[in-house]
Amino acid sequence: ILNVEQSPQSLHVQEGDSTNFTCSFPSSNFYALHWYRWETAKSPEALFVMTLNGDEKKKGRISATLNTKEGYSYLYIKGSQPEDSATYLCAFPTSGGYQKVTFGTGTKLQVIP
Amino acid sequence: NAGVTQTPKFRILKIGQSMTLQCAQDMNHNYMYWYRQDPGMGLKLIYYSVGAGITDKGEVPNGYNVSRSTTEDFPLRLELAAPSQTSVYFCASSYLIRTETGELFFGEGSRLTVL
Repeated sequence: ILNVEQSPQSLHVQEGDSTNFTCSFPSSNFYALHWYRWETAKSPEALFVMTLNGDEKKKGRISATLNTKEGYSYLYIKGSQPEDSATYLCAFPTSGGYQKVTFGTGTKLQVIP
Repeated sequence: NAGVTQTPKFRILKIGQSMTLQCAQDMNHNYMYWYRQDPGMGLKLIYYSVGAGITDKGEVPNGYNVSRSTTEDFPLRLELAAPSQTSVYFCASSYLIRTETGELFFGEGSRLTVL
């Protein structure tokens, strides 16, 4: 069983604050890393698919970086807004053969107006 | 496009009953997955399929069965339901080719309660 860890488990920030959270994954046999946003009572939706060491992806105020050598990825949110409140999941597809996708336990973000 | 469609959305079962959760996708995706969401535990992989006729176990397969007779459909069968199977179940699909990795597209979830 792959160990994909996310921290912190939950986070409360004030509107306008910037924040970041971490996803740790096995650094050997890296294939890709996904980030998903999961709003309450909805389904997870993909934010980023990252494949290369040093990758940096951006979508609006949200960005992510990837370090495959040390096995971590950061997700940053600049100027948090209440609509950013959600659980952010990272997911790690296995490499080689059939591809399982293992999810971390997520970071639950609450942005306080 | 409907994307990934799951039925039913809600179901209450008695201990020992059986049922099938249906999942269909219309995106011609080769991979399909079943996850369960347990509080504080994120999403745990139950079974997945790489194409019609090919399935494999995930992290928590006990008490479940799957089949994949077509590209579009990936039903999840619960035999002899137990309270431990009370959860929200998500079906997902993705398009993976040899050197690419695709994001997962999720259905809306099926909330199952076993009493």
